[in-house]
Amino acid sequence: DTGVSQDPRHKITKRGQNVTFRCDPISEHNRLYWYRQTLGQGPEFLTYFQNEAQLEKSRLLSDRFSAERPKGSFSTLEIQRTEQGDSAMYLCASSGTSGRSKNIQYFGAGTRLSVL
Amino acid sequence: AQTVTQSQPEMSVQEAETVTLSCTYDTSESDYYLFWYKQPPSRQMILVIRQEAYKQQNATENRFSVNFQKAAKSFSLKISDSQLGDAAMYFCAKLTGGTSYGKLTFGQGTILTVHP
Repeated sequence: DTGVSQDPRHKITKRGQNVTFRCDPISEHNRLYWYRQTLGQGPEFLTYFQNEAQLEKSRLLSDRFSAERPKGSFSTLEIQRTEQGDSAMYLCASSGTSGRSKNIQYFGAGTRLSVL
Repeated sequence: AQTVTQSQPEMSVQEAETVTLSCTYDTSESDYYLFWYKQPPSRQMILVIRQEAYKQQNATENRFSVNFQKAAKSFSLKISDSQLGDAAMYFCAKLTGGTSYGKLTFGQGTILTVHP
């Protein structure tokens, strides 16, 4: 296993279009997180899953955003009717619940979204 | 809301010298985790070091060490024998929700430049 994988790496879309991002966590990790990072800022929490259950959603996650983790493995983040303000890097992270790496979040390379 | 503050937007250091990055945080929890993450330009975020709040001993990972002052809610990162590869954005982060789960709250980041 090579770590957290995100696809695509870059997405350019026109305002009003829908986009979907995918995250594959480290295989034995049962927790999966989504963050958004704008240029020069720290990541901001969006939502997180434990297995397939979505346990917390940030106020940043408007009705246009939806995240799923249907089988407790990979996750998707969909943005409907994109706006220019959605342009950002979307980061996925995963963590385990036991062992030395407990509670350490490992990050993927991110998906950079540009809304024109 | 819990906050993490990095008061140094930019720092610079000469190769082989030592530099310290500052971080303060706000919390009402008695036990929690603190982290320093490194994000090189256009590359993914990687963990530098982790500190568990109940441990008195400061964490150390090779050239990286922390000065954890729980009462002062301060968590600084010291990089010894700085190398060109240490150049990156550094983020201080706190795991909310205690130690068993939760999101990371990040500081604003400190850009570290290493001069040859």
